Amino acid sequence: SAVISQKPSRDICQRGTSLTIQCQVDSQVTMMFWYRQQPGQSLTLIATANQGSEATYESGFVIDKFPISRPNLTFSTLTVSNMSPEDSSIYLCSFTAGGTISYEQYFGPGTRLTVT
Amino acid sequence: GENVEQHPSTLSVQEGDSAVIKCTYSDSASNYFPWYKQELGKRPQLIIDIRSNVGEKKDQRIAVTLNKTAKHFSLHITETQPEDSAVYFCAPVTGANNLFFGTGTRLTVIP
Repeated sequence: SAVISQKPSRDICQRGTSLTIQCQVDSQVTMMFWYRQQPGQSLTLIATANQGSEATYESGFVIDKFPISRPNLTFSTLTVSNMSPEDSSIYLCSFTAGGTISYEQYFGPGTRLTVT
Repeated sequence: GENVEQHPSTLSVQEGDSAVIKCTYSDSASNYFPWYKQELGKRPQLIIDIRSNVGEKKDQRIAVTLNKTAKHFSLHITETQPEDSAVYFCAPVTGANNLFFGTGTRLTVIP
C-alpha cells in the first residue's frame, strides 16, 4: 500500500504566526483530506484537498485561516494562519484508496502543533 | 448534518472477554461503515468495514454488524487481548458523500 508522510512531525509556534504542514504520498491518489484532532478528542474534517481546484471546506473552517494547496496527485499542504493557542492540536492528512470517500482512509503520522 | 454517536465512551474488560461498541448515525443514505483503531500516539488505522448491502462481516476476532433500519452498526471484539487497548472510532460515510468520525470509545483490556 502507499506510504504517506507529513512534515514537520511537531512544532511549537508563537501566536500570530503561520505554519505550513506538508503531506506527501508515494503514489498518485485522487482524494486527500486534512483533519484536526484536539487532545483526547475525535477527528474533525477540515477540508478535502482537490487537485487542480480549490479545497472544499467543512462547516466552521475557512480558507483564510486554513489555506490548502494540492499542486499534484501526490502532495498537499495545509497552512494554519495567524495562530492562537486554540489551534494547538494534531493535524493529520489522509487519502482514500479506490478514489472515492467510500473506501479505506490511510492517515499520515500527524503534526503535533503547540501554539504559545 | 450527520449526527454520529458512539457508546460507550469508555469500556474496560478482562482479557479474554468480549467487547462491543455501538455507533448510531442519522443519515439513512449512509453507505459505508468503517471502524478505525487509534493506539496512543499513533495514527488511526482501519480495522474492519462493511457496506450497506451486507449485514455482518467477520475478520478473525473482529466483526462488524449493520442494522440499516435502526441506523446503527457495531464493532465486536472477541477474546480480547491487551494489545486491543486503544481508542476506536466509527466513521460512517453519508449519502452526501461526507465522512464524520464518531466521538470515540476508549477500550482498556485488563490483563
